[in-house]
Amino acid sequence: GIQVEQSPPDLILQEGANSTLRCNFSDSVNNLQWFHQNPWGQLINLFYIPSGTKQNGRLSATTVATERYSLLYISSSQTTDSGVYFCAPESSGTASKLTFGTGTRLQVTL
Amino acid sequence: EAGVAQSPRYKIIEKRQSVAFWCNPISGHATLYWYQQILGQGPKLLIQFQNNGVVDDSQLPKDRFSAERLKGVDSTLKIQPAKLEDSAVYLCASSFSMNTEAFFGQGTRLTVV
Repeated sequence: GIQVEQSPPDLILQEGANSTLRCNFSDSVNNLQWFHQNPWGQLINLFYIPSGTKQNGRLSATTVATERYSLLYISSSQTTDSGVYFCAPESSGTASKLTFGTGTRLQVTL
Repeated sequence: EAGVAQSPRYKIIEKRQSVAFWCNPISGHATLYWYQQILGQGPKLLIQFQNNGVVDDSQLPKDRFSAERLKGVDSTLKIQPAKLEDSAVYLCASSFSMNTEAFFGQGTRLTVV
């Protein structure tokens, strides 16, 4: 099956700082999602981004499917951004399924 | 629009007991997923349904886990008998169809003692 690697595994930022999270995947994909898992365990949808760039407020994401990676940008980070960020590409083919990476754990401090 | 509903939110059982989880997907969503998330790891797909048919159950431990989606709407996931290593959060998700955006429920946290 598809392999998904996320980096960095852990990140500590001061409030107001910017960051870039990376997701590499090993196979061609039909689509890719980014999620934020809050401290209560809820997976919040951030982006559905099979290719190209999308922006939503302080967050933006870029997927380059031909080079098998996606990036999540967080600007002007806030303490509420803390949690774990997962990317989940959906492999192409008849048996497509969402496969999660190991996540990036982000802590934003005052 | 109502989200994915799961129950119970928490469950504590002794090893070798059985347990069942329930999921009600977003109305009109044909694809339903069950994931297992062990502490510190990313969610792992256990089973994927398209309407009431199984699309993928390659990572479902079929000697103890079972799942059904009889009418293509609600789904139940059962563990019988439970082991200590089954302690995890069980997440249900749904999407309109395969290759469309998936939405997750709040999960059921299972502790096996």
